[in-house]
Amino acid sequence: DAGVTQSPTHLIKTRGQQVTLRCSPKSGHDTVSWYQQALGQGPQFIFQYYEEEERQRGNFPDRFSGHQFPNYSSELNVNALLLGDSALYLCASSLDRSAGGETQYFGPGTRLLVL
Amino acid sequence: QKEVEQNSGPLSVPEGAIASLNCTYSDRVSQSFFWYRQYSGKSPELIMSIYSNGDKEDGRFTAQLNKASQYVSLLIRDSQPSDSATYLCAVKRFSGGYQKVTFGTGTKLQVIP
Repeated sequence: DAGVTQSPTHLIKTRGQQVTLRCSPKSGHDTVSWYQQALGQGPQFIFQYYEEEERQRGNFPDRFSGHQFPNYSSELNVNALLLGDSALYLCASSLDRSAGGETQYFGPGTRLLVL
Repeated sequence: QKEVEQNSGPLSVPEGAIASLNCTYSDRVSQSFFWYRQYSGKSPELIMSIYSNGDKEDGRFTAQLNKASQYVSLLIRDSQPSDSATYLCAVKRFSGGYQKVTFGTGTKLQVIP
């Protein structure tokens, strides 16, 4: 049973560039959430995707956008990168509540460094 | 007031002792509670979930939930050096039909051999 996978594992970008991070959910899961975790902090919720739509969003600017594909995989896009965007980006998958799902399982994360 | 609060630590305990990690939350309608373990440079790994008041045991781990007092704790018995990590408390509530999960900043645990 494949767990949550993310790519790439590490990424270095410069200010102003754009980045795309990818996530494949755990087998059988249909909901993908993205989190940003700065050093020494807990994960901060960015947004959640279900049925290819953004279902809810945290306090992140529009520079952060995403997409979910029919196979439930997801992308996180960040435009106009700032130094403060340097963080570990985590993808978590779960089963929609209506199907009885409760728990989120995290992927290994993508570490983004903005120079 | 933060939605989920944890003491950042570090909490140092000798090998073989009981480690007690605490978490308080502000929203009374919170329904699900989770403890994740995160090793340095790695992603969070689920240890325990608890949904109703009382204790829930899984091996050396016991989660305790008290909704009236709005706190959840994690006890680790017979602590091992391999338990040294940051422990994240996560609280889930349903708002407008959707799930909202909020994490604390984590407590760093150090188990001294």
